[in-house]
Amino acid sequence: ILNVEQSPQSLHVQEGDSTNFTCSFPSSNFYALHWYRWETAKSPEALFVMTLNGDEKKKGRISATLNTKEGYSYLYIKGSQPEDSATYLCAFYYNQGGKLIFGQGTELSVKP
Amino acid sequence: SQTIHQWPATLVQPVGSPLSLECTVEGTSNPNLYWYRQAAGRGLQLLFYSVGIGQISSEVPQNLSASRPQDRQFILSSKKLLLSDSGFYLCAWSATGGGGYTFGSGTRLTVV
Repeated sequence: ILNVEQSPQSLHVQEGDSTNFTCSFPSSNFYALHWYRWETAKSPEALFVMTLNGDEKKKGRISATLNTKEGYSYLYIKGSQPEDSATYLCAFYYNQGGKLIFGQGTELSVKP
Repeated sequence: SQTIHQWPATLVQPVGSPLSLECTVEGTSNPNLYWYRQAAGRGLQLLFYSVGIGQISSEVPQNLSASRPQDRQFILSSKKLLLSDSGFYLCAWSATGGGGYTFGSGTRLTVV
């Protein structure tokens, strides 16, 4: 059974704080690692698709890194804003099938 | 551009009643299609995925079934709903090869 673990489960920060979350995944049969942002009552929105060991991707104040050899990825948010409040999901895409296995998510709450 | 439609948005059904949730994709051919569920307090669980018409893979034993009668149509069904079927159901599509998923707007199902 493939397991994708995210930590922490939830995070409460003040506006302006920088924060980061962790996603752990199996290091064998790696194909891609996805990050999604999921706001309440909306569809998950793709942030990054990462495929290469050492990849670093950035979108505005959000960035992510990937280590496929040890099986982890970090998502960073610089200077959190209230509109960053959402659940951040990572998902592992492995090469034995065309499907994503999601972690439980990290729920971020940013207080003004 | 590609769009994905999922309906209904909310549904309240009695235990033992049937279920049919529909998902259609526009603007692409031969998409991979997926049904996910988020039960209360849990992450996204893959229920079914399909790589082509009539091709359905089931991820977990359950009270639900899926069908793909047309290339861009994916249906989630049940003959008799259980209380444990309550949750938030998401349909998604992707192109082959591990790219990002695009999710529908979701269906909140409450079985009473």
